[in-house]
Amino acid sequence: AQTVTQSQPEMSVQEAETVTLSCTYDTSENNYYLFWYKQPPSRQMILVIRQEAYKQQNATENRFSVNFQKAAKSFSLKISDSQLGDTAMYFCAFMKLNNAGNMLTFGGGTRLMVKP
Amino acid sequence: GAGVSQSPSNKVTEKGKDVELRCDPISGHTALYWYRQSLGQGLEFLIYFQGNSAPDKSGLPSDRFSAERTGGSVSTLTIQRTQQEDSAVYLCASSSRLGGGGTQYFGPGTRLTVL
Repeated sequence: AQTVTQSQPEMSVQEAETVTLSCTYDTSENNYYLFWYKQPPSRQMILVIRQEAYKQQNATENRFSVNFQKAAKSFSLKISDSQLGDTAMYFCAFMKLNNAGNMLTFGGGTRLMVKP
Repeated sequence: GAGVSQSPSNKVTEKGKDVELRCDPISGHTALYWYRQSLGQGLEFLIYFQGNSAPDKSGLPSDRFSAERTGGSVSTLTIQRTQQEDSAVYLCASSSRLGGGGTQYFGPGTRLTVL
């Protein structure tokens, strides 16, 4: 079984600054995906970024990037130039890779507040 | 295109009543997932449908929970004899077997409150 741990229940950052959210996971699998999802107060879970474990290059999506350390089983999310709209819960998630897809295992979440 | 939709958005029911929650996946997505989000348990997987294969029910917490997927599209999650501990947000997600690498796209959820 997989476990995902987010050690920071809450974080805050000033607008325009950079913040890093931590995530570690435990698995015996070699092939998997990792995700960061954002959940604003509207409750809609929105995909932020995805990383395939077989790729050494860290994924980036505009202001969002990850630091994926496979050996250390670490998958942190960096948000640059933070904006007020980034205020939300952020969930790290693990998915075992197979032909048909699989369920996500989520961390407990980090509540991020961006302050003006 | 349209995203995943869920109905109702909110549902308040009395303990002991049955409820049905509906999910409409993204058109063409073959995989459909149900998750539950509660304060005490976080986000938990409930059940997974892939095409015409038998569903993976390994996450269902009790036999009061069941789900079906008709015609490979719309899914209904049914909770019988609801209990107060069933109060949670129920999230549905879908993914495409081809392309997207299994990325799951979520609906807005149904907030269930059991009085």
